[in-house]
Amino acid sequence: GENVEQHPSTLSVQEGDSAVIKCTYSDSASNYFPWYKQELGKRPQLIIDIRSNVGEKKDQRIAVTLNKTAKHFSLHITETQPEDSAVYFCAATGSARQLTFGSGTQLTVLP
Amino acid sequence: NAGVMQNPRHLVRRRGQEARLRCSPMKGHSHVYWYRQLPEEGLKFMVYLQKENIIDESGMPKERFSAEFPKEGPSILRIQQVVRGDSAAYFCASSPDPGETQYFGPGTRLLVL
Repeated sequence: GENVEQHPSTLSVQEGDSAVIKCTYSDSASNYFPWYKQELGKRPQLIIDIRSNVGEKKDQRIAVTLNKTAKHFSLHITETQPEDSAVYFCAATGSARQLTFGSGTQLTVLP
Repeated sequence: NAGVMQNPRHLVRRRGQEARLRCSPMKGHSHVYWYRQLPEEGLKFMVYLQKENIIDESGMPKERFSAEFPKEGPSILRIQQVVRGDSAAYFCASSPDPGETQYFGPGTRLLVL
């Protein structure tokens, strides 16, 4: 089955700086890669996603890149703000149709 | 358009009791997924259901756990004879079609005493 690895597990940045979180996946059939943000005690919220026919997608301060050959994808957050502090999860879904999640990155934006 | 609903939000059970968790998908969604999140860990897939069918239960423990999604009513995740290790947050998600975006409910936090 699919295996998704995510790093770093913790990331601290100064407000205004950029944050990058990276994930790799194992199943070459995977074709959908969402990113979720989870605040403490809350549900995971979809923040951006990308499909395998696209290499990059951007939504305001958030962007995701996908390299299918290398089987990795990354989340980029620019101009970080304190409210960006949360746990971020990458995920991949392929032929199994279920999401396989990475282990999460605790992002802390320092004011 | 109401989002994914789950109840109860918090559930306390003693060891050996049964826990029933309910999930109502978003309107128009017929695909439901259950995930378990242990404290300070990631989300682990448990089971994927479509109306009246279990599509994939590869992530569900073989004993004590069962799930259903009847033609009418919510999807139910049932845990029999709960043990302390079952304490976790259980999230369900729904999507309109397989492989489409999954939207999560608020979760049920189960505490087994």
